[in-house]
Amino acid sequence: SQTIHQWPATLVQPVGSPLSLECTVEGTSNPNLYWYRQAAGRGLQLLFYSVGIGQISSEVPQNLSASRPQDRQFILSSKKLLLSDSGFYLCAWRMIRAGSTEAFFGQGTRLTVV
Amino acid sequence: GEDVEQSLFLSVREGDSSVINCTYTDSSSTYLYWYKQEPGAGLQLLTYIFSNMDMKQDQRLTVLLNKKDKHLSLRIADTQTGDSAIYFCAESMGQRGYSSASKIIFGSGTRLSIRP
Repeated sequence: SQTIHQWPATLVQPVGSPLSLECTVEGTSNPNLYWYRQAAGRGLQLLFYSVGIGQISSEVPQNLSASRPQDRQFILSSKKLLLSDSGFYLCAWRMIRAGSTEAFFGQGTRLTVV
Repeated sequence: GEDVEQSLFLSVREGDSSVINCTYTDSSSTYLYWYKQEPGAGLQLLTYIFSNMDMKQDQRLTVLLNKKDKHLSLRIADTQTGDSAIYFCAESMGQRGYSSASKIIFGSGTRLSIRP
């Protein structure tokens, strides 16, 4: 069966520090991978998605970047965090095939920038 | 452009039906979803509907799709305290069936609260 792991679960980082959140998927190959952010009182905002190794599409200009060094690994990074980067970050994977389109989400990382 | 809108809050009495509404803008959407998020957790898929369907029923859940008005609704019959959560509407852009890429755009979520 497929599983998705996201870590850490919570993170408190000072402004200006770097960030690295990792997401890995097991039990599937060549999934579509997604990073979403859920800010307090707001909905889910798509940040990045990837259809393959090294292929990253960015949805919004921001202080963050994403990388996919391996088929089932998706990393969200920042060189210098801003206060506005605080939020709940969710990784998701999805297989695009007939009859199965849902996205499966990790448990999320709550990031607080102080 | 791609936009999905929902009302932010809904309060219903236990045992009544809940109806959560959603509007979307992209007429090329192929799949529309309802996800549930419990406090501090990730999202779980409740149900989805293909864009060529008008209605889908799954136990206490009924999804209605009005493509002309780009309106999607989720009805939860006999609402229970365990249904308290945030419900997200989402649309997927991309071709039905095999596709190399497709985005999933989410609404702001509707927080459903149950009163006794």
